[in-house]
Amino acid sequence: SAVISQKPSRDICQRGTSLTIQCQVDSQVTMMFWYRQQPGQSLTLIATANQGSEATYESGFVIDKFPISRPNLTFSTLTVSNMSPEDSSIYLCSADRGDGYTFGSGTRLTVV
Amino acid sequence: EDKVVQSPLSLVVHEGDTVTLNCSYEVTNFRSLLWYKQEKKAPTFLFMLTSSGIEKKSGRLSSILDKKELSSILNITATQTGDSAIYLCAVEAPSGGSNYKLTFGKGTLLTVNP
Repeated sequence: SAVISQKPSRDICQRGTSLTIQCQVDSQVTMMFWYRQQPGQSLTLIATANQGSEATYESGFVIDKFPISRPNLTFSTLTVSNMSPEDSSIYLCSADRGDGYTFGSGTRLTVV
Repeated sequence: EDKVVQSPLSLVVHEGDTVTLNCSYEVTNFRSLLWYKQEKKAPTFLFMLTSSGIEKKSGRLSSILDKKELSSILNITATQTGDSAIYLCAVEAPSGGSNYKLTFGKGTLLTVNP
């Protein structure tokens, strides 16, 4: 299965600022996925990123708040914009090469 | 809307016990069911079950998919303290066009006491 490097591992940010999370996959993948896991909750899909096209956002998530880039088949970024304490969560990227979805190591974001 | 329900939500056992975790789902056009173990941040992949592979085993862990009952179980025998984690069940189904996505259950928090 794919190996995904995700950074930063954790960050503490001031409200109103933005944070960009990066994921690098060790092989080419068609789709990459971004999830949020709020404290004590399960994983919620934010959006699906396909190289060369606009990301597809799930209900409740908008591009202005969570802009995504997918410049090539091995890399994607998620930006959490204009952060508030409610954005404090673990953010995870994921990819599938057909043998099961693999996750990045996660970013623990705390907004103060 | 796709739905995945796991039970129990939490479970405390003693080392050496056998546990069974449950997952039921309601999805349109089911493709596969996946189990993950989450200890810190990143879920680690355990099993993927499809119509052509309804039973998987790896060491002390095993899983069965019941497509008729729309459910799956994850069994862990001879539990160890290192098995303490959140176990997540996810179902893969179409998200539109030719794409697929995972819908996760809330997870089962397993605590194994020495």
